[in-house]
Amino acid sequence: EAGVAQSPRYKIIEKRQSVAFWCNPISGHATLYWYQQILGQGPKLLIQFQNNGVVDDSQLPKDRFSAERLKGVDSTLKIQPAKLEDSAVYLCASSLDSSGANYEQYFGPGTRLTVT
Amino acid sequence: AQTVTQSQPEMSVQEAETVTLSCTYDTSESDYYLFWYKQPPSRQMILVIRQEAYKQQNATENRFSVNFQKAAKSFSLKISDSQLGDAAMYFCAYRSPSNSGYALNFGKGTSLLVTP
Repeated sequence: EAGVAQSPRYKIIEKRQSVAFWCNPISGHATLYWYQQILGQGPKLLIQFQNNGVVDDSQLPKDRFSAERLKGVDSTLKIQPAKLEDSAVYLCASSLDSSGANYEQYFGPGTRLTVT
Repeated sequence: AQTVTQSQPEMSVQEAETVTLSCTYDTSESDYYLFWYKQPPSRQMILVIRQEAYKQQNATENRFSVNFQKAAKSFSLKISDSQLGDAAMYFCAYRSPSNSGYALNFGKGTSLLVTP
C-alpha cells in the first residue's frame, strides 16, 4: 500500500513570495490533516478535511494560508505572502476516518520550507 | 485546549538497555486517546503505540510498552532492549473524542540517542 505522498520535499523562498505544497493521501482515506512543525516543537494542526469539507481550521492563519481538497482526494496548502516565521516542516497526514477504530493517522515525509 | 508536556528534551541509552520517556497531559475529559510517535531524522513520523483512556491495561507492542496513570495524567513510554534504530525524536500526543476534528495534540518531543 502506497503511503502519503508530499511534494516538494524542500523549498526555499524569500519573504513575501508565495508557495504551494501538495499532498496525496493513502487511497480511500477520507480524512486529511495538514500540520506545521517548527524546529524544536511538535506538530501543530493547521487544517483538517473530511472528504472535501473542512472540519477544523481554527489554527490556520487565514490572512496568508489557504488550503483546499478538491474532489476529496489530493490537497494543496498555500502560503501567500510568506513570512520568516513560516519556516517549518509541513506535514500531511491521512486516516481512514476521523472516528472510531479507524483513527490511526499516517504521515507523509513532509515539506521543509525555508523563508529567507 | 489540552496541553501535552514532555519534560525531557534529550535522553540517552546504551544499546540493549531500557529507557523510559516521560509525558504528562492536562485534560478535563474522561475518555480520550494517547499515542507515542517516532520521527527518525529526515524520515516520516510513525505510530509506535497507542492507549485508550478507558482501558486500564497498559498497551504493549513488542519492545515498547506504556505506563498509563490516568489519575496522575501520566503516559510514559518504556523501550526495552534498545537498538540503534530506536534513535529518533519521540512525540507524545493526545486525541480528544469530543472535538469534531479529532486531530492530534503533540508535545515538544524527546530526542533519544542510542549509544553502542
